[in-house]
Amino acid sequence: EAGVAQSPRYKIIEKRQSVAFWCNPISGHATLYWYQQILGQGPKLLIQFQNNGVVDDSQLPKDRFSAERLKGVDSTLKIQPAKLEDSAVYLCASSITGGAGTEAFFGQGTRLTVV
Amino acid sequence: SQKIEQNSEALNIQEGKTATLTCNYTNYSPAYLQWYRQDPGRGPVFLLLIRENEKEKRKERLKVTFDTTLKQSLFHITASQPADSATYLCALDMSGRGSQGNLIFGKGTKLSVKP
Repeated sequence: EAGVAQSPRYKIIEKRQSVAFWCNPISGHATLYWYQQILGQGPKLLIQFQNNGVVDDSQLPKDRFSAERLKGVDSTLKIQPAKLEDSAVYLCASSITGGAGTEAFFGQGTRLTVV
Repeated sequence: SQKIEQNSEALNIQEGKTATLTCNYTNYSPAYLQWYRQDPGRGPVFLLLIRENEKEKRKERLKVTFDTTLKQSLFHITASQPADSATYLCALDMSGRGSQGNLIFGKGTKLSVKP
């Protein structure tokens, strides 16, 4: 079974530029999560989709971050404009149903450096 | 808001000993609690899940306990090996607690097993 695919693996941009990350979850998984993991911290949930609807985006900085999940499969996370404090690893995860005692499968993440 | 504390940022033990990691949380108890392992440069990998009505769960050399009175989970690795060296993350699964399956992660404990 293929895992969660993310691209790119690494990205370096200047502040105020824009960047986009892509995620392809495990086939058949209804729930997709985007997490931000700052060095030395645990993953912080940014947004959770159930199929193509948003379940929770309470911690997404909506003035600069946006995310979409087209047709309930692939997802993109965009930052525009980027700030220095956005430097982090962005992890995508998926699960069959979402919570309720189901495990989340993570991709390798995209390491973003904002200079 | 829910807060999670993993009491040690780092834990160093000798090979063959039992490693015990602690996860404490505030406010209301989750329906489930999950433990993940994260290696450098990789996404977290699911290890074990325990339900609120379970006191203990085992899987090979791993054991998890869940005490909703103390608001605490303990994660044990018996007969530890250098290959167990990684960061271990505790995650609260808030399904059925006013959310729709969010996984809220702690900061993690970095375990180092010395030969």
